[in-house]
Amino acid sequence: EAQVTQNPRYLITVTGKKLTVTCSQNMNHEYMSWYRQDPGLGLRQIYYSMNVEVTDKGDVPEGYKVSRKEKRNFPLILESPSPNQTSLYFCASSLNMNTEAFFGQGTRLTVV
Amino acid sequence: AQRVTQPEKLLSVFKGAPVELKCNYSYSGSPELFWYVQYSRQRLQLLLRHISRESIKGFTADLNKGETSFHLKKPFAQEEDSAMYYCALFAYSGAGSYQLTFGKGTKLSVIP
Repeated sequence: EAQVTQNPRYLITVTGKKLTVTCSQNMNHEYMSWYRQDPGLGLRQIYYSMNVEVTDKGDVPEGYKVSRKEKRNFPLILESPSPNQTSLYFCASSLNMNTEAFFGQGTRLTVV
Repeated sequence: AQRVTQPEKLLSVFKGAPVELKCNYSYSGSPELFWYVQYSRQRLQLLLRHISRESIKGFTADLNKGETSFHLKKPFAQEEDSAMYYCALFAYSGAGSYQLTFGKGTKLSVIP
């Protein structure tokens, strides 16, 4: 089944403790991206990647890192999480930049 | 920079009534526009895109370049249409980069 898989689905962590949210897609898509969804703010893009080893900042990249060593994986790294990064995170992939984006089921992160 | 505006956070309509979810965009070039939908407890999924000019689940959307709008319409609302709807714009963002920018979303509630 074609899908985008994120892990974990839920995570509660403490301020400053490094964490990684994984994202994997099995559709051989070139374009992958990370969004955060906050009430009243909608979806905001954090980072995106147009291909392996090619990443770029979105609208709200501060406090996040990404890597794209393989086509299928696009992990989101929070080196030192803070409470303002408490949010619902979505990973998405698409064949090309302007084709349909397929979303993961989301990761609800709470930083205390 | 491109921007997507969805002026209504919440829209309530009665079953059988017409629905119009508004979307306005700001972009100087030729945009590619999408509508995504998120049903309760489900991931975001593509509803339709302006290039395909198709009708999905009875919804249509016409790109009006003069008014820079891409409103989503359905003649008769159904209870299963209740969801969060996001308008999205894919466009060149400068320095060789492209971005998919989402609006803040409109929650549609269909009253039985």
